[in-house]
Order: sequence, then structure tokens, then C-alpha cells
Amino acid sequence: GAVVSQHPSWVICKSGTSVKIECRSLDFQATTMFWYRQFPKQSLMLMATSNEGSKATYEQGVEKDKFLINHASLTLSTLTVTSAHPEDSSFYICSARENYGYTFGSGTRLTVV
Amino acid sequence: AQKITQTQPGMFVQEKEAVTLDCTYDTSDPSYGLFWYKQPSSGEMIFLIYQGSYDQQNATEGRYSLNFQKARKSANLVISASQLGDSAMYFCAMTWGSGYALNFGKGTSLLVTP
Repeated sequence: GAVVSQHPSWVICKSGTSVKIECRSLDFQATTMFWYRQFPKQSLMLMATSNEGSKATYEQGVEKDKFLINHASLTLSTLTVTSAHPEDSSFYICSARENYGYTFGSGTRLTVV
Repeated sequence: AQKITQTQPGMFVQEKEAVTLDCTYDTSDPSYGLFWYKQPSSGEMIFLIYQGSYDQQNATEGRYSLNFQKARKSANLVISASQLGDSAMYFCAMTWGSGYALNFGKGTSLLVTP
């Protein structure tokens, strides 16, 4: 089946630094990828929709300058958390649509100290 | 407004029993898809079952079945013969219209006891 590889699986960074999270579709081309954020014991909240070769579409309330999304190829989308702060600590997970299904990456647990 | 509601924050079930997890939705779009995902403590999202709004029959996948009642706008997940490994968070999710993103309900935490 379709596989989306997400790296890193966890990262600890200092406040003020930037962190890049990658999602790769391994055996299919993902023209669209979605980025979600999940706080402990809460649901997945859609942050943005990433389209290959064009600007991402951000959900209301998501700072586009803070969460930079790049989808430069049909198999790779990246999320960069810029100038991270402790309140950005969360679980970030990507998803790609493939035919009629959605495949998820394994998620990235970000801790900002 | 489109909305997905899971009203059961937590559920308990005894091993080998069946359990129903509730999901209701609200949309004015006639074309939509309903999904259920399982999320164990590791965080991965495991696809369980899908129901399209035009599907005539209720979806089934092994021990999982979806009780789709279109008029009531409900899409409850039924897990038969619960196993200890079924303990996890369960999310109902939906796509609608021309939108492609999955939107999730708040989830139900299921605990299967021996």
C-alpha cells in the first residue's frame, strides 16, 4: 500500500531555533499533502494544505510566516517551524491523498525547551 | 456549517464483547466520505473503514463495520469481538464536496479490559 515517510519522529530544540519536518511519499506521487497538529489528548487540527508547485493554503488562525510549508516535488513536502517557542510543542503529522484514501506519516513529536 | 461530533470521550468494553463508537456529522453537501481511524499511543493513524455518501450498503472490514444512517447523519463504528489491542483513540473523519482534507471529530478513547 501507499507509504508516507515522515522524519524526524521526534525532535527537541531550543526556543528561537527553527525545525524542519519532512514528509515523503515513497511509492506514489502526492500532488497534495496535508499538515496537522495534535495537542495531547486532542484531535488532529488541519493546519494547511500543501500543493506541489504552488503556495500552501493555511487554515484560519495558522501563522503562515511561522509554519513554512514547501512542496517542491511530487514526493516531498516540508514543514518548517520558525523561531519555535514552547507553545509550539506538539505532535505534527502529515497526510497525502492517494486515489480515494489518505495515508498518514508516522508523526513528529516536537518539544521546544 | 460542516461538523463532525463524537460525544463519547471515553468508553470501556470487556474483551470479546462488541462496542459501538458514535459519530454524527452535519453537512449540506450531498457528496462526502466518512472515515474511521485508530490512533494507538504511538501516534500513528491507522485507517479502519470508509463509507461514501452514495454507498448503498454499510461498509465492513473484518471486525469493523460502519452503521451508516444517512437520514440521521450518523456513522457509528462497531467493533466486534474486542481485543486488548483495540485499546486506542478512535477518530471519525470526513471529507465533503470539492474539499480534499480530512476533518476529524474529537475522538473517543477506548479501553478494552480483560
